[in-house]
Amino acid sequence: QVQLVQSGAEVKKPGASVKVSCKASGYIFTSYFVHWVRQAPGQGPEWMGRINSSGGGTSYAQKLQGRVTMTRDTSTSTVYMELSSLRSEDTAVYYCARGAFDIWGQGTMVTVSS
Amino acid sequence: DIQMTQSPSSLSPSVGDRVTITCRASQSIRNYLNWFQQKPGRAPNLLISAASSLQSGVPSRFSGSGSGTDFTLTISSLQPEDFATYYCQQNYDTPYTFGQGTKLEIK
Repeated sequence: QVQLVQSGAEVKKPGASVKVSCKASGYIFTSYFVHWVRQAPGQGPEWMGRINSSGGGTSYAQKLQGRVTMTRDTSTSTVYMELSSLRSEDTAVYYCARGAFDIWGQGTMVTVSS
Repeated sequence: DIQMTQSPSSLSPSVGDRVTITCRASQSIRNYLNWFQQKPGRAPNLLISAASSLQSGVPSRFSGSGSGTDFTLTISSLQPEDFATYYCQQNYDTPYTFGQGTKLEIK
């Protein structure tokens, strides 16, 4: 079936980087964009950016520009989101979602703590 | 950025009630509006896209309407499994912003 499966939970120290993966299956990977959305504890979702799974072009939220990088590997149908210079405010569940937001990954908890 | 404002922020309806949630955009987004349902510990689930298009598998008691800046999600007869938080999201222009959410709590 159509699904997105994400990597496991991460605990990072402030200033470190984290890289979360999102593996797609059940559909033609290069036919859809993939978005990244995060949700801090008790807060609403926040769109982080998206990647064109075919050409690799990206669009990022202005507030994350310079800290976020989205890449993809078409040979494994996997999208990656790397966030650098982590701070406590980056503690959240990170989700990937297919182009129309119709299919979501299960979420990856990233905790930033000293 | 386009701001999305939902109201109310919370609601305590009873099973069988008709529930209406509103969402207002800070500028026209035509019909580029999604509605999601989210339960604790789960990813958001897309209910309605393009303001009024019901996703496959979503019960017909859910409906959406509106265009431009004002939108509505209606649940015609609330069921126990509908107690959750609902979010609107505009996908007209990046960044694709979400409303702050409406939590339906059991009375």
